[in-house]
Amino acid sequence: GENVEQHPSTLSVQEGDSAVIKCTYSDSASNYFPWYKQELGKRPQLIIDIRSNVGEKKDQRIAVTLNKTAKHFSLHITETQPEDSAVYFCAAWRDSGGYQKVTFGIGTKLQVIP
Amino acid sequence: DTEVTQTPKHLVMGMTNKKSLKCEQHMGHRAMYWYKQKAKKPPELMFVYSYEKLSINESVPSRFSPECPNSSLLNLHLHALQPEDSALYLCASSRTMGYMDEQYFGPGTRLTVT
Repeated sequence: GENVEQHPSTLSVQEGDSAVIKCTYSDSASNYFPWYKQELGKRPQLIIDIRSNVGEKKDQRIAVTLNKTAKHFSLHITETQPEDSAVYFCAAWRDSGGYQKVTFGIGTKLQVIP
Repeated sequence: DTEVTQTPKHLVMGMTNKKSLKCEQHMGHRAMYWYKQKAKKPPELMFVYSYEKLSINESVPSRFSPECPNSSLLNLHLHALQPEDSALYLCASSRTMGYMDEQYFGPGTRLTVT
């Protein structure tokens, strides 16, 4: 099955600095990689995603890069703000026997210090 | 309406009880999902329904029994649970089971088994 590793598990940055979270996956069949933000006590929310035929995608302060050869993808947040503080999960979707399956990374707790 | 609702918000039940979790969406989505999330862990996929038919059962114990009575509703029936089943149970929906369709998560039901 798929194994998704996510680093770091915790990350503290000063407001205005950039934050980078990295994930690696093991199954080359994985081809859809969403990133979720989950604030304390709240539901996960999709913030950005990338498909395997794309190398980079950007949405305002958030960007995701994908390296299919190396099987890793990263989340980049620029000009961080205190409201970016949350747990971020990466995920990898793949086809498995005709069904789509998902494996999540363990999560990164991001703290943006004002 | 772009919301997935879940009831109840909190549930405390004994190991001999029978209870049900409910999930509802009115976005016309035809795929609905149950996830289990333990504290400080990523969501784990339990069940997927596509067009009201069970499509994926990720080897979940039979004490969890899903039901999809119609395209807007998803239930999770609970019976003879164990304390280790205490967790946040998240429902999600997407336009189809195509994994590149964005998943919308509900707020979750926090379950405590005593």
